[in-house]
Amino acid sequence: DAKTTQPPSMDCAEGRAANLPCNHSTISGNEYVYWYRQIHSQGPQYIIHGLKNNETNEMASLIITEDRKSSTLILPHATLRDTAVYYCIVRVAGGNSGYALNFGKGTSLLVTP
Amino acid sequence: GAVVSQHPSRVICKSGTSVKIECRSLDFQATTMFWYRQFPKKSLMLMATSNEGSKATYEQGVEKDKFLINHASLTLSTLTVTSAHPEDSSFYICSAKGLSGEQFFGPGTRLTVL
Repeated sequence: DAKTTQPPSMDCAEGRAANLPCNHSTISGNEYVYWYRQIHSQGPQYIIHGLKNNETNEMASLIITEDRKSSTLILPHATLRDTAVYYCIVRVAGGNSGYALNFGKGTSLLVTP
Repeated sequence: GAVVSQHPSRVICKSGTSVKIECRSLDFQATTMFWYRQFPKKSLMLMATSNEGSKATYEQGVEKDKFLINHASLTLSTLTVTSAHPEDSSFYICSAKGLSGEQFFGPGTRLTVL
């Protein structure tokens, strides 16, 4: 799996958009970008994933650069409950992969009132 | 989305005892389950990969005789920490992989060994 680089921490005011960057310059053509988050003392929660097109769901938007070497997870209106560690993971998707997810250090997002 | 449960959610035990943690996929069949360990302020570290009906594959540095894994059915995997010591105190998390290949995580089990 390609290595990812994320800032160790970020702050965001409640109600504002939180933009979390991730660098994955060694990503391969068949690797997807996944985002998970972990709220304190809970298991990781899936947020979103994408290959090369931008993706949006009820939780967040994922913007992937054209060269696929970096991406940004956007929480459009951050709430206090979004305070968590956010992990960007690059890997082959779906049934072809029997491998576990490899978690880096992630970005600790603090949403403040 | 798919639901994975763990039991117990937290356990406190005496040094030298064994503790069993259960991981269940509630609404799907999990061909593979993974066990992770997380120490305070650290990221998740993979301990082992468990396939139903076969022996688990352990990561380097994880003792298979200390961390016994049983995956007897497509919805249940168990992790037994044998002869637990205080340094085994950690947050243990399982994940289950369904037929689609996506992984879903349990809520974790907090183990404290006195």
